[in-house]
Amino acid sequence: DIQMTQSPSSLSASVGDRVTITCQASQDITNYLNWYQQKPGKAPKLLIFDISNLETGVPSRFRGSGSGTHFTFTILSLQPEDIATYYCQQCDTLPYTFGQGTKLDIK
Amino acid sequence: QVTLKESGPALVKPTKTLTLTCTLSGLSLSIRGMRVSWIRQPPGKALEWLARIDWDDDKFYTTSLKTRLTISKDNTKNQVVLKMTNMDPVDTATYYCARISFDDAFDIWGQGTMVIVSS
Repeated sequence: DIQMTQSPSSLSASVGDRVTITCQASQDITNYLNWYQQKPGKAPKLLIFDISNLETGVPSRFRGSGSGTHFTFTILSLQPEDIATYYCQQCDTLPYTFGQGTKLDIK
Repeated sequence: QVTLKESGPALVKPTKTLTLTCTLSGLSLSIRGMRVSWIRQPPGKALEWLARIDWDDDKFYTTSLKTRLTISKDNTKNQVVLKMTNMDPVDTATYYCARISFDDAFDIWGQGTMVIVSS
């Protein structure tokens, strides 16, 4: 199975800050990398698919980049409503696997 | 509007079999390309993919639980069913069903159903 390693596991930042989360795959997953946002008590929400494509309706302050085994998720200017846990997920090879999550809160 | 909704028991005894149902509205299980997965999340922990079923009845399972899981579908009812045998307290989790998009992402999720395994 492909292991997805996310860092950091938690992060505090101020409103307006640029926030970056990284995700490392245990093998090359080409461009099959997705990012999800999960707010407490809610189902995850797809934000970005295929490394850098924003899902319809997702604000442009969310960005994804990377290739191969190393990927980055960025919030360009943190907003209060971005407080959530973020997960990366590979869909290159079954079984699908998720990172362990990054919990983001406001400083 | 496309929605998925999970249903099933909130409490299951250890060693018993869990049966969960995902009912789809606004889209058909039988259309070419339709794929639905089950994903679970223990309290305070990460997401874990469990199983997938495709429009053509192809089925796929996570490695560690393959022997305990069965996924099936009923096109007439537009439902996907997940069965998990020999339940254990470590299986306590919120169970989600989700549609897999053409781009292989989980783009539509159900609200989730919490299952507690306890005697």
